[in-house]
Amino acid sequence: KAGVTQTPRYLIKTRGQQVTLSCSPISGHRSVSWYQQTPGQGLQFLFEYFSETQRNKGNFPGRFSGRQFSNSRSEMNVSTLELGDSALYLCASSPSLGGDLYNEQFFGPGTRLTVL
Amino acid sequence: AQKITQTQPGMFVQEKEAVTLDCTYDTSDPSYGLFWYKQPSSGEMIFLIYQGSYDQQNATEGRYSLNFQKARKSANLVISASQLGDSAMYFCAMKTSYDKVIFGPGTSLSVIP
Repeated sequence: KAGVTQTPRYLIKTRGQQVTLSCSPISGHRSVSWYQQTPGQGLQFLFEYFSETQRNKGNFPGRFSGRQFSNSRSEMNVSTLELGDSALYLCASSPSLGGDLYNEQFFGPGTRLTVL
Repeated sequence: AQKITQTQPGMFVQEKEAVTLDCTYDTSDPSYGLFWYKQPSSGEMIFLIYQGSYDQQNATEGRYSLNFQKARKSANLVISASQLGDSAMYFCAMKTSYDKVIFGPGTSLSVIP
C-alpha cells in the first residue's frame, strides 16, 4: 500500500497570503488528522476529519480550516498568513476513529511552510 | 485536562547500550491508549509501540519496550541495544475515548558511536 502523501513538500509564502495543503491518506483509511509542528510549541493538533465531517478541532484561530472529500483526501487552508504560521504541517491517516483507543496514525512526510 | 510530559529535552546513549525515555501523562478518563513515535531528521513520524490502559502486560516491539506504571501514570520507552539509526526525536502520545491524540514535547536522543 502507498503511504500517506502530502503536497507540496515545501512552500514559501508572504504575510497576508493564503495557502492550501493537500493530504492523501492510505487507501481505505477514512480518518485524517492535521498537526502543526514548530520548535517552540511542538506538535499541536489542528483538526480531524472522518467521512467528510470534522470530528475534532484544536485551539487554532478561524484562519485555519480544512475539509475532507468523499475519497478521504483532505485539504487544509490557512488564510491571511502570519509569520508565526511557519511550521511543518503533518497529516496523519488512521483506519479507525473515536472510541477506538488503538488509533495508530500513519504520518505523511509533512509540508514545510515558510512565511516571509 | 489531559497532558503529556516528557522531562528530558535531550539524551545521549552509547551505541549498544539501553536507554529509557521518560513519559508521564495525566487524564481522568479510565480508558486511554499510549503511543510512542520516532521522528528522524527527515521529519516523518514513525509509530513504534502502543500500550492500552487495560493491558495487563507491558508492550514490546522488537528492541522497543514500554515500562507502563499505571498508578504512577508513567509510560517510559526502553530502547535496548541502541543503534546509530536510533538518533531522532521521540514523542509520547495519548488518546482517550472520542478525543484527539495529544503529544508530549519530545526527547531528542543522540546515539554515540
